Amino acid sequence: EADIYQTPRYLVIGTGKKITLECSQTMGHDKMYWYQQDPGMELHLIHYSYGVNSTEKGDLSSESTVSRIRTEHFPLTLESARPSHTSQYLCASSNDRAPYGYTFGSGTRLTVV
Amino acid sequence: GEDVEQSLFLSVREGDSSVINCTYTDSSSTYLYWYKQEPGAGLQLLTYIFSNMDMKQDQRLTVLLNKKDKHLSLRIADTQTGDSAIYFCAERLPYQKVTFGTGTKLQVIP
Repeated sequence: EADIYQTPRYLVIGTGKKITLECSQTMGHDKMYWYQQDPGMELHLIHYSYGVNSTEKGDLSSESTVSRIRTEHFPLTLESARPSHTSQYLCASSNDRAPYGYTFGSGTRLTVV
Repeated sequence: GEDVEQSLFLSVREGDSSVINCTYTDSSSTYLYWYKQEPGAGLQLLTYIFSNMDMKQDQRLTVLLNKKDKHLSLRIADTQTGDSAIYFCAERLPYQKVTFGTGTKLQVIP
């Protein structure tokens, strides 16, 4: 079944550790996105990619980095985690066919202690 | 500007209709969407409307679009406890960017 997968679902990690949040989709979508979601619900776009070897920063400044070496895979990396990185991270993808809706993963809840 | 605003919270009784409202500022939007987020999950596309339409109905869901006032609403008929979730409106602009609203938490009281 075509879908988008995020791992891990939950992660508790110490300050200063390097972490990678995984996101993979099996739908062949060119466009992929990373959002950070506040406890107060609002979504903030932190990175996006329109295809292989294409990555851009989003509206919210983030210390994370992303890569897009394969169409299906869009990992997000934090080189040195801090408590301020504690949040819910949502990955999404979309294609070029109307209505251009997004398909979201289930998210990764990150806690940095 | 690209602000998309929603009220934070809505509480309704089971069986009643719910109306969730959204206002946006960019009149060049092409598609407008409603997404649903259940606890511990990602967002799920519920329905959408093309910008040249005024209304779209899909089973219990009715979307109304007032382009003059830049106002979008989602009506859920016969609201059930399973409809309790956070609802996000979103607009797609011509240069592909999608802006999400601030989210409305719907609480359905049995």
